[in-house]
Amino acid sequence: QSALTQPPSASGSPGRSVTISCTGTSSDVGGYNYVSWYQQHPGKAPKLLIYEVNKRPSGVPDRFSGSKSGNTASLTVSGLQAEDEADYYCSSYAGNNSFVFGTGTKVTVL
Amino acid sequence: QLQLRESGPGLLKPSETLSLNCTVSGGSIRSGGYYWGWIRQPPGRGLEWIGNINYSGHTYYNPSLESRFTISADTSRNQFSLNLKSVTAADTAVYYCTRVAGSWRTHVDYWGQGTLVTVSS
Repeated sequence: QSALTQPPSASGSPGRSVTISCTGTSSDVGGYNYVSWYQQHPGKAPKLLIYEVNKRPSGVPDRFSGSKSGNTASLTVSGLQAEDEADYYCSSYAGNNSFVFGTGTKVTVL
Repeated sequence: QLQLRESGPGLLKPSETLSLNCTVSGGSIRSGGYYWGWIRQPPGRGLEWIGNINYSGHTYYNPSLESRFTISADTSRNQFSLNLKSVTAADTAVYYCTRVAGSWRTHVDYWGQGTLVTVSS
């Protein structure tokens, strides 16, 4: 069970969009529609942003959206705001009641 | 509002056993539909899933980790626990207790605040 691959960093100007990729295999991302995304600010616990590829929990702005194609999932943050500067992690169900996380992406708002 | 809170020692010596508790308030760990689990994050690094326990006490662990971890639950206290034997410096991390939701229990919807565990001689 290897970690999902994310780019180490991504950036964008306020008001613009940034997209983060999350690449796995057919045993995790590609095999199930159970990809989730988490946002983590420094010193804080992660927060659920997206689950089941593209569903948002109550209270999460619709600026955050998720998608998946084959073995790669993506998170898009539209209308970037200063408070979106954080680390972002993807996660996927990997069968047999197991999970795997992504390597994490640091998003910088320029 | 559901709350999870970790408790346990912040500092251990190599070879000791780590015991962490997670106290759940605002909800019952006996309620069906959720698993309860542990995730850790070494300083400056990413998240690592450790394992989950369901409402009937069945456990599931990260197959990539050694079998030093044990997760258990005490429904009378509405708590669940993590034991890690023979700790090393590599086990230094923030440990989070979590609630796992979804029809296949596939995402974490509640996190504890996390507790830093340092292993050092």
